[in-house]
Amino acid sequence: GDSVTQMEGPVTLSEEAFLTINCTYTATGYPSLFWYVQYPGEGLQLLLKATKADDKGSNKGFEATYRKETTSFHLEKGSVQVSDSAVYFCALHQAGTALIFGKGTTLSVSS
Amino acid sequence: KAGVTQTPRYLIKTRGQQVTLSCSPISGHRSVSWYQQTPGQGLQFLFEYFSETQRNKGNFPGRFSGRQFSNSRSEMNVSTLELGDSALYLCASSLGDSDRRETQYFGPGTRLLVL
Repeated sequence: GDSVTQMEGPVTLSEEAFLTINCTYTATGYPSLFWYVQYPGEGLQLLLKATKADDKGSNKGFEATYRKETTSFHLEKGSVQVSDSAVYFCALHQAGTALIFGKGTTLSVSS
Repeated sequence: KAGVTQTPRYLIKTRGQQVTLSCSPISGHRSVSWYQQTPGQGLQFLFEYFSETQRNKGNFPGRFSGRQFSNSRSEMNVSTLELGDSALYLCASSLGDSDRRETQYFGPGTRLLVL
């Protein structure tokens, strides 16, 4: 079946460092891909999405490109802030099915 | 536009009791999905409702049930609670269009603790 694999955390960075969180997927068909973020004690917030190959999603300085050839959707940010500390979830969605999530990657940014 | 709301935000129950959680979707959204989040299992899909009908279901026992009302609000019920049901229960809403790959927007969740 379809699945999402994320790099295991925690990821610990200093403020202004470059961030990459790897995400790869296995899917038949053409899923949409998402990154969600969860701050402590809160629900999931949509960070960005891409609906087809080569699409780039971006929001709040975060970017991810839908790479069909490598089945990847890696999350990047050029300069992280302390306020970016959270858990990040990669997810895919096929028509007629539920969202499938990766296990989440905890990011901790120190000043 | 108001986001997805869930009530209550926190619940403490004892084993064997039942619980009902409520979710109000974003205005105009007709699909509501429920997920369970635990540290061990991560995010797992419970079920999806669209136009008052369950149209997708995850792999959970029959103790977990749900329904949707004509105004798209949804409830989920867990009967005969077990310790392992302690989790954050998340509700997500979407338009529910025919493509059904559209974005799901999540509420803040209901944290259930079973003692």
